[in-house]
Parts: sequence; structure tokens; C-alpha cells
Amino acid sequence: NAGVTQTPKFQVLKTGQSMTLQCAQDMNHEYMSWYRQDPGMGLRLIHYSVGAGITDQGEVPNGYNVSRSTTEDFPLRLLSAAPSQTSVYFCASSPFDSPLHFGNGTRLTVT
Amino acid sequence: AQSVTQLDSQVPVFEEAPVELRCNYSSSVSVYLFWYVQYPNQGLQLLLKYLSGSTLVESINGFEAEFNKSQTSFHLRKPSVHISDTAEYFCAVGLIQGAQKLVFGQGTRLTINP
Repeated sequence: NAGVTQTPKFQVLKTGQSMTLQCAQDMNHEYMSWYRQDPGMGLRLIHYSVGAGITDQGEVPNGYNVSRSTTEDFPLRLLSAAPSQTSVYFCASSPFDSPLHFGNGTRLTVT
Repeated sequence: AQSVTQLDSQVPVFEEAPVELRCNYSSSVSVYLFWYVQYPNQGLQLLLKYLSGSTLVESINGFEAEFNKSQTSFHLRKPSVHISDTAEYFCAVGLIQGAQKLVFGQGTRLTINP
């Protein structure tokens, strides 16, 4: 099993550009989520989904959009990138009431 | 709301020495508790979890953590560390219903010196 796969691994954007971070899981997990990791701040929840067609905001949702059209995929969209969005982004999935499985992350730099 | 405080941002120790990584949490309701480990340039991996039952939980690689409800702590310990334990360690809490919406601490970077 591939587990949780994130693409790309690295990305550099200019301020104002848009992009989509991809996340796919092959474990048929209902729950998927996106976190950002910043030095000294741990991981903070951006958006999450409890199943296809259902999404909700986490702690830091501003500037990000998500959708969940299938169980497997949970892309994160930046509509107009800002330097404050420079971070490492992690996607995670799990069955309900079970620990999260994390992807290897996408390192994003916005100049 | 829940919060997690990891009391040390960096912990340097010598190989084969014992180590304790401290974690305190705040919550008005019962929670699950987790320790995750992040090796360089990788995602987070579950190290151990406390859901219910025995307050002392152990991992397969020699770490253990004890849930202390009165002190709202979940400190991570290992009696003898190895170079391969060098990583960043994150403590996290999750509600019993909706445990996946984890709140993480700031992380503790464990550095093992030979």
C-alpha cells in the first residue's frame, strides 16, 4: 500500500500565484485533513473532511480551499499565495476514531 | 478548547542516557493523547497513544508515556536512547468523539550526541 501520497514534494510560488497541493490515500479512510507545520508552532489544522462531499474548517482556514469529490483524494488549493503561507503542509487520513496516518509533506515557499 | 504545551523546544542528551520529553495539556473534557515522531524530511509517525485503561503506554522501540490526569501531563520517557532516536517529537490531544482533529504541541527536538 502507498498510504498517504502528497505531491509535489517541493514548490516555489510567487505572491499572487495559485496552486493545488495534491493528497491521495489508498486505505479507504473516511477522514482526511490538512495541517501546516511552522517552526515553534507545531502543526495546525487547516481543513478536514469526514467523507466525500463533506468538508469543514480547522484552526487556520483563511487563504485555503478544499473539496472532497472522492474518498481517495483531498486537494488543498491556494487561490492567491502569500508569503505567510510559506510552510510545510501535511495531509493525513484515518478511519474514524483511529490515529492519523500522515503523508511525507509538501514544502512550499512563497516569494 | 484544547491546548498542548511541550515544555522543552530542544533536548540534547548523550547516547545511552535516559530522556524525558515533557507534555502538558489543557481540556475541559476527556481526551485521547498521542505522541508522534518526525524523522528528518519525513512525515509524522504515531509513536504511542493513550485511549483508556492502563495509564502507562509503551511503544515497540522502548519509549513509554504515562497519563497523569491530576497533573494533566503525558510525558514521554526512554531509559536509554540511541543515535537513531534523533528526531522531533510531537505531543497531541484529540477529543474522544472526533479524535482525528488533533491539537499539537510545539514539538521537542531530541538530539543524541555520541
